[in-house]
Amino acid sequence: EADIYQTPRYLVIGTGKKITLECSQTMGHDKMYWYQQDPGMELHLIHYSYGVNSTEKGDLSSESTVSRIRTEHFPLTLESARPSHTSQYLCASSPYQGASYEQYFGPGTRLTVT
Amino acid sequence: SQQGEEDPQALSIQEGENATMNCSYKTSINNLQWYRQNSGRGLVHLILIRSNEREKHSGRLRVTLDTSKKSSSLLITASRAADTASYFCAMIYGGATNKLIFGTGTLLAVQP
Repeated sequence: EADIYQTPRYLVIGTGKKITLECSQTMGHDKMYWYQQDPGMELHLIHYSYGVNSTEKGDLSSESTVSRIRTEHFPLTLESARPSHTSQYLCASSPYQGASYEQYFGPGTRLTVT
Repeated sequence: SQQGEEDPQALSIQEGENATMNCSYKTSINNLQWYRQNSGRGLVHLILIRSNEREKHSGRLRVTLDTSKKSSSLLITASRAADTASYFCAMIYGGATNKLIFGTGTLLAVQP
């Protein structure tokens, strides 16, 4: 069982609200990732980080932003939520720099914007 | 897009039968991984096969990789109801990054 946590697990919120999805890992991993997944569909990478103060946009354009001030923490923020942001958001981490090792996933946050 | 394609999209079998899922990808890879996702939860890593390997086993799982055809298959033998989940292949392409490109997924239902 991976030591990577996401809160909240479920969030229903109105349009225009600012939200932050939390992701923390206790494994000391340098690499962390955010994926977006619609029900029954593939995962799309929206943000990633190779370490503290390092963040990059992923392959799928997203209006969200991320920060990496501490190794263990990689929150994702939406300044103004819209119904098009409704999706599942999965956080993951990976231990090795430049090597092709497995990723460890959190349980996900299912976001619904009404 | 470099995304992988999986087939079938969905598969329903009886407990005890074998399940085979296929993944095809577009360009040369460093390695290919298979993940399982239970009902909208996070993904769990199952097995990794490197580009210079042709077959790998882990318990009831067998993965093959054919780089000439740019394809991989995952075989689950003697399936159990607990194997019911979505299965995704994920590729890492060349370069120093560790970004995974996921396939479209296969939904497996194992009937007791």
